Amino acid sequence: QQQVKQSPQSLIVQKGGISIINCAYENTAFDYFPWYQQFPGKGPALLIAIRPDVSEKKEGRFTISFNKSAKQFSLHIMDSQPGDSATYFCAATTGTYKYIFGTGTRLKVLA
Amino acid sequence: GAGVSQSPSNKVTEKGKDVELRCDPISGHTALYWYRQRLGQGLEFLIYFQGNSAPDKSGLPSDRFSAERTGESVSTLTIQRTQQEDSAVYLCASSLVRMAGGDTQYFGPGTRLTVL
Repeated sequence: QQQVKQSPQSLIVQKGGISIINCAYENTAFDYFPWYQQFPGKGPALLIAIRPDVSEKKEGRFTISFNKSAKQFSLHIMDSQPGDSATYFCAATTGTYKYIFGTGTRLKVLA
Repeated sequence: GAGVSQSPSNKVTEKGKDVELRCDPISGHTALYWYRQRLGQGLEFLIYFQGNSAPDKSGLPSDRFSAERTGESVSTLTIQRTQQEDSAVYLCASSLVRMAGGDTQYFGPGTRLTVL
């Protein structure tokens, strides 16, 4: 119940394409869903986050789509660039400090 | 100011030895977290410090793991009698305020621990 399932494990996208990463959860008490971006040798950095009272949040080329009834949320990267190549983690929390992280998606954007 | 820093960046040790990993949080951040990241895995919560409150140690995998924090500054994660399964990247994060619904955790670059 505490798991967050993330897919795909890896993703290869052409430059300019759309990258889509999906996460699913079971615990309906989760109320904050951040996405983190991690470059090799670096710690994860917050990219964008959403709360369940909205269905979509957009920041630049990054969009979170949230489907509360399906208990799923996804990250869309529009016009993907080689500089977006990184590992992406979704996470969820019940309003406490304990984040439950997905297993990560390694994205490679081909030039 | 500077971000979260961790040292050493890499540590290679022999099975059975003790190791100490250090985390310097962002100045003024009251909350500090330790995570373990195994190869190809997500982040596994280990321990949480918030101000002067008792730490949440519920994520520590065994009694070989311990952590301390001096006030609202440096934290040390100690692993005693290391085992090969302890090999992982250990990440530290800090945050300014723990708000309901989640706060922004700022991560350090991690310490890559290899136990031979």
